Amino acid sequence: AQTVTQSQPEMSVQEAETVTLSCTYDTSENNYYLFWYKQPPSRQMILVIRQEAYKQQNATENRFSVNFQKAAKSFSLKISDSQLGDTAMYFCAFMKGSNYKLTFGKGTLLTVNP
Amino acid sequence: KAGVTQTPRYLIKTRGQQVTLSCSPISGHRSVSWYQQTPGQGLQFLFEYFSETQRNKGNFPGRFSGRQFSNSRSEMNVSTLELGDSALYLCASSFPREGASSYEQYFGPGTRLTVT
Repeated sequence: AQTVTQSQPEMSVQEAETVTLSCTYDTSENNYYLFWYKQPPSRQMILVIRQEAYKQQNATENRFSVNFQKAAKSFSLKISDSQLGDTAMYFCAFMKGSNYKLTFGKGTLLTVNP
Repeated sequence: KAGVTQTPRYLIKTRGQQVTLSCSPISGHRSVSWYQQTPGQGLQFLFEYFSETQRNKGNFPGRFSGRQFSNSRSEMNVSTLELGDSALYLCASSFPREGASSYEQYFGPGTRLTVT
């Protein structure tokens, strides 16, 4: 079974600064996908970024980028130019290829301070 | 395009009762997944439906069931409610097609179920 570990229960960052959230996973699969989801206080789960395991290039979406280290099974999220609206719980998630079952980490609560 | 909708948004039930939650996926999406979110266990996968067939099931007791209709709308049912079933139930939809983006799941706002 796959497991996802987020070792930072809480983090804080000043507005406009950069922060990195950590995620490691354990799997014997070779075909899989990794995701970061954001859940603000409204509880709406929002997809932030996606990474295909077969791609070596790290995914980027505007201020959000990942550092995908397949051999180390590490998938960290970097948020640049942090904004107050980035305050949320961030979940790292794993999906085995063609499975449609997401396995989530416990989450990291990120607070952006003015 | 409208997002995933879930009804009701809030629900209070008594132990022993049963409950049905509804999920309407994004138009054109044919896969619907359900997740339970609790403070203690986090986010856990319940089941996934595609074209009215359950393709995948999580590790939950048989009291948890679901179904999908021909229009891709899905319902989940919990019978004989227990206090521990109090949770946020999230529904997510996907549009299986060629390409990696088909694996993205888009979530609804959730149904907050409280069992007393």
